[in-house]
Amino acid sequence: KNEVEQSPQNLTAQEGEFITINCSYSVGISALHWLQQHPGGGIVSLFMLSSGKKKHGRLIATINIQEKHSSLHITASHPRDSAVYICAVVNTDKLIFGTGTRLQVFP
Amino acid sequence: DSGVTQTPKHLITATGQRVTLRCSPRSGDLSVYWYQQSLDQGLQFLIQYYNGEERAKGNILERFSAQQFPDLHSELNLSSLELGDSALYFCASSVMSSGNTIYFGEGSWLTVV
Repeated sequence: KNEVEQSPQNLTAQEGEFITINCSYSVGISALHWLQQHPGGGIVSLFMLSSGKKKHGRLIATINIQEKHSSLHITASHPRDSAVYICAVVNTDKLIFGTGTRLQVFP
Repeated sequence: DSGVTQTPKHLITATGQRVTLRCSPRSGDLSVYWYQQSLDQGLQFLIQYYNGEERAKGNILERFSAQQFPDLHSELNLSSLELGDSALYFCASSVMSSGNTIYFGEGSWLTVV
């Protein structure tokens, strides 16, 4: 079993829909990152959080340390949100990555 | 633009050869990380350097080595290359640790033929 599990693996949505991507982990962590990887391969850091909730534009990330679970929400999704979203946890200063969620948003 | 520069962007080489990937971190960042992304194994942490010293080691093969120089740029050396080493190699940097925001370079595509 992977130490970091993401669901769903693939997600298709219509423009404007509310999207949720989940991340569960089984190891102790000091922080959690949400990353976005575009088809060209580049990776962008969306959020780094260790507790509570963060919001940036249409993106919201939450973490529940007790339940070892984090969610990434996208409100009013847009085709430009199409990408792979990767959850990564910080364990003894090392990043452990989830396998990613491939999101496609259609107009 | 993340501010992290990686070279080369693409590299094709033969099995058994040795290559060096280079990375310049974002200005002011002391930590440099190397990651490997392959189709079958996803993203894997290889190694971290902080201010010239090795800080953390992940799934890095003995055929691979890295270093961080006094000007904070880093190099990842891959030797005795095998077909399975074909992957996208990312360098990233942060101010201090993985508990800070991490900035990724665009990656170096390595194809071993």
